[in-house]
Amino acid sequence: EVQLLESGGGLVQSGGSLRLSCAASGFTFTSYAMSWVRQAPGKGLEWVSGISGSGGSTYYADSVKGRFTISRDNSKNTLYLQMNSLRAEDTAVYYCAKTLVGIVSFDIWGQGTMVTVSS
Amino acid sequence: QSVLTQPPSVSAAPGQQVTISCSGSTSNIGNDYVSWYQHLPGTAPKLLIYDNNKRPSGIPDRFSGSKSGTSATLGITGLQTGDEADYYCGTWDSSLSAGVFGGGTKLTVL
Repeated sequence: EVQLLESGGGLVQSGGSLRLSCAASGFTFTSYAMSWVRQAPGKGLEWVSGISGSGGSTYYADSVKGRFTISRDNSKNTLYLQMNSLRAEDTAVYYCAKTLVGIVSFDIWGQGTMVTVSS
Repeated sequence: QSVLTQPPSVSAAPGQQVTISCSGSTSNIGNDYVSWYQHLPGTAPKLLIYDNNKRPSGIPDRFSGSKSGTSATLGITGLQTGDEADYYCGTWDSSLSAGVFGGGTKLTVL
């Protein structure tokens, strides 16, 4: 079964750091680009960051550029999001998502992990 | 303010049809493929349409997508109460070098 399982969310103070992980199974992980997408309380979906299958190309939303780092370990079938200098506006459910084609068509999503940044 | 513009809400009766629009620009919709997602509260979003008009396996043909210029449209026919959800369009923006979503449209099946 194709599956994505996020972990690492929690409560952190403003200015703090967290690292999210997303364990993938059921597909050839290295063949697909991956992304992180978030949804703040009462808000819509926001694309956060994406990474190519090899890990050689990374992309970021302006709102997180310079603070967040996306990476992947293809030997462990795991995607990461290192989040530094966290702000209250980063409070959201964070989803990892597998790309079907291109960069922004996501056919498989994790269940989401909640990140709460207290000010 | 989202890069892609969707109506906040649409509604229709069971059995009827509805369309949801997604308006962008030449740097996003006008330059790349559009995807559509269904999102129910507390669940992961579901891909309904990719590459403007293709349906993943398991998505019924009641759902359709189209694109013209810098706008895209999601169509849903034979509305069911289970279709009540938030719907989002998404694509790549070449000027931002980033993925972008619309603000979302809440579908109410009356």
